[in-house]
Amino acid sequence: DAGVTQSPTHLIKTRGQQVTLRCSPKSGHDTVSWYQQALGQGPQFIFQYYEEEERQRGNFPDRFSGHQFPNYSSELNVNALLLGDSALYLCASSPGLAGAWDNEQFFGPGTRLTVL
Amino acid sequence: AQKITQTQPGMFVQEKEAVTLDCTYDTSDPSYGLFWYKQPSSGEMIFLIYQGSYDQQNATEGRYSLNFQKARKSANLVISASQLGDSAMYFCAMRDTDKLIFGTGTRLQVFP
Repeated sequence: DAGVTQSPTHLIKTRGQQVTLRCSPKSGHDTVSWYQQALGQGPQFIFQYYEEEERQRGNFPDRFSGHQFPNYSSELNVNALLLGDSALYLCASSPGLAGAWDNEQFFGPGTRLTVL
Repeated sequence: AQKITQTQPGMFVQEKEAVTLDCTYDTSDPSYGLFWYKQPSSGEMIFLIYQGSYDQQNATEGRYSLNFQKARKSANLVISASQLGDSAMYFCAMRDTDKLIFGTGTRLQVFP
């Protein structure tokens, strides 16, 4: 049973470019959350997708957008990249609504984005 | 607002010894959940242990136990019989509706 998978593993972009990161949730999970982890910090919540809709959003600008597909996989898009967007981007999957996943929010290996 | 505080940037422990990693939290919600994750240098966040605010007993998972002191709002992770493979970053987190709020982490180094 595959866990949460993310692609690509590493990515290098230049300022102003756009990037798309991908995540496939753990089998049986239908909710995907994205987190940004800057160097030396804890992960920060970006947004969450459930039933193909953005259900909750953290304090991130509109340059960060996402999508969830019918098979529950998800994409994170970042437009007009800034140097400060360099970070590890983590995807987490869980089964459904809060309270049902307390022991089951699992993270993928992350995508390390470097913006030059 | 909910907040997680980890005051130990780094900890050292000798192999086979026990170590406690500190975590305090702040919330006004009567119902909440607390988590510990391990993050090796590879980057993946590995779930270790969970404690619900209404759980009567401290959570345990193998060599990991959570010392939950509700009145003091602390949820310290205890690792018994440390192993070299335990060297990693450790994050305490709290559930806030459908998302997790993380602390800044503690880097644990286990030496022979």
